[in-house]
Amino acid sequence: QQQVKQSPQSLIVQKGGISIINCAYENTAFDYFPWYQQFPGKGPALLIAIRPDVSEKKEGRFTISFNKSAKQFSLHIMDSQPGDSATYFCAAHAAGNQFYFGTGTSLTVIP
Amino acid sequence: DGGITQSPKYLFRKEGQNVTLSCEQNLNHDAMYWYRQDPGQGLRLIYYSQIVNDFQKGDIAEGYSVSREKKESFPLTVTSAQKNPTAFYLCASSYARGRGSYGYTFGSGTRLTVV
Repeated sequence: QQQVKQSPQSLIVQKGGISIINCAYENTAFDYFPWYQQFPGKGPALLIAIRPDVSEKKEGRFTISFNKSAKQFSLHIMDSQPGDSATYFCAAHAAGNQFYFGTGTSLTVIP
Repeated sequence: DGGITQSPKYLFRKEGQNVTLSCEQNLNHDAMYWYRQDPGQGLRLIYYSQIVNDFQKGDIAEGYSVSREKKESFPLTVTSAQKNPTAFYLCASSYARGRGSYGYTFGSGTRLTVV
């Protein structure tokens, strides 16, 4: 059973546009929600993260929106650039220091 | 520079052969993890270890084994019992909960192919 559901599986955005990736979860015990960015042949790297007591966190062009009541969170990439083309994973932290990952979204930003 | 190193980057395994993937970290992290990545399936947890000489099975531990004799090292052996081992393997590390920030640091991965 997938603990964190991520959509869409793939996304194509024009340069300068907004990329939006969504995740949903059921376990209300999750207490930390990071997003990872992965380039081909590389390991994922932490991009931005949020705790459930905050509704939004912004770092540069990247913003996480968090809706605790709906158990959903999303990543927004403003002014998307070709260099943002990568696979993005959402994750949720549970007790025991274990993370559950979404299935990933392949983002392609076309010039 | 602190980081987590996986080797080799590419590995080829013959049928019936055991192979070992290396993972070393110098971040002084307490916990280490092994994930398997397949297209369209995200990251699936194989084994994890919170402290030296202790480890737990993840969601897909069958056909794999690990050891944690040193804090810095967490090698993964893919045994002949693993029927479909071709995948991208990722090692990660983190502080134990309550020490520092949450979040994993990942290695660059090992791509294992059965030939």
